[in-house]
Amino acid sequence: QKEVEQDPGPLSVPEGAIVSLNCTYSNSAFQYFMWYRQYSRKGPELLMYTYSSGNKEDGRFTAQVDKSSKYISLFIRDSQPSDSATYLCAMSDGTASKLTFGTGTRLQVTL
Amino acid sequence: EAEVAQSPRYKITEKSQAVAFWCDPISGHATLYWYRQILGQGPELLVQFQDESVVDDSQLPKDRFSAERLKGVDSTLKIQPAELGDSAMYLCASSLVTGTDTQYFGPGTRLTVL
Repeated sequence: QKEVEQDPGPLSVPEGAIVSLNCTYSNSAFQYFMWYRQYSRKGPELLMYTYSSGNKEDGRFTAQVDKSSKYISLFIRDSQPSDSATYLCAMSDGTASKLTFGTGTRLQVTL
Repeated sequence: EAEVAQSPRYKITEKSQAVAFWCDPISGHATLYWYRQILGQGPELLVQFQDESVVDDSQLPKDRFSAERLKGVDSTLKIQPAELGDSAMYLCASSLVTGTDTQYFGPGTRLTVL
């Protein structure tokens, strides 16, 4: 079993929809949680960075962390075609920077 | 805006040949990472440098892969000899310090081994 599980999709939604992306994990030592967006043939870019449990909002993006359930989510409101990309969750225990990534969820937002 | 630079962007080689990838991190970033991303999977750490020293190379296949960061700035990742299973995206990332600091990724080098 992988330390971080993520549904690979693809997930197709119409423009304007609310998108929910999720990851589960098994390592209770993880304290830092990130979401990266990766366009085709590009490197990942950081979207959200959260510590421990709780919510964090940035524009149309909201990240949620539930450490008791070992479950994290990324919500995208008013989705746009430019949001079409692969979304990777990543986690760290904070001691040595090593990030453990999910497999990524491919999202397509259609007109 | 400062970015991580990588070259080449694309590399096609035949198996048993040697290949090398170059990375220039964001200026002032002490920590540099090389990741491998197989199509349809998330990146996996190959090696981590703190300045010129290797901090973690536990997942680096040392029989064929080598990495160096001689002056603590740019870095080179080498594969010799390349195998078919090495076809992947090789990503370089850097962060200001180690620990919980944000990692910034370069555009990657896509390697195809024929």
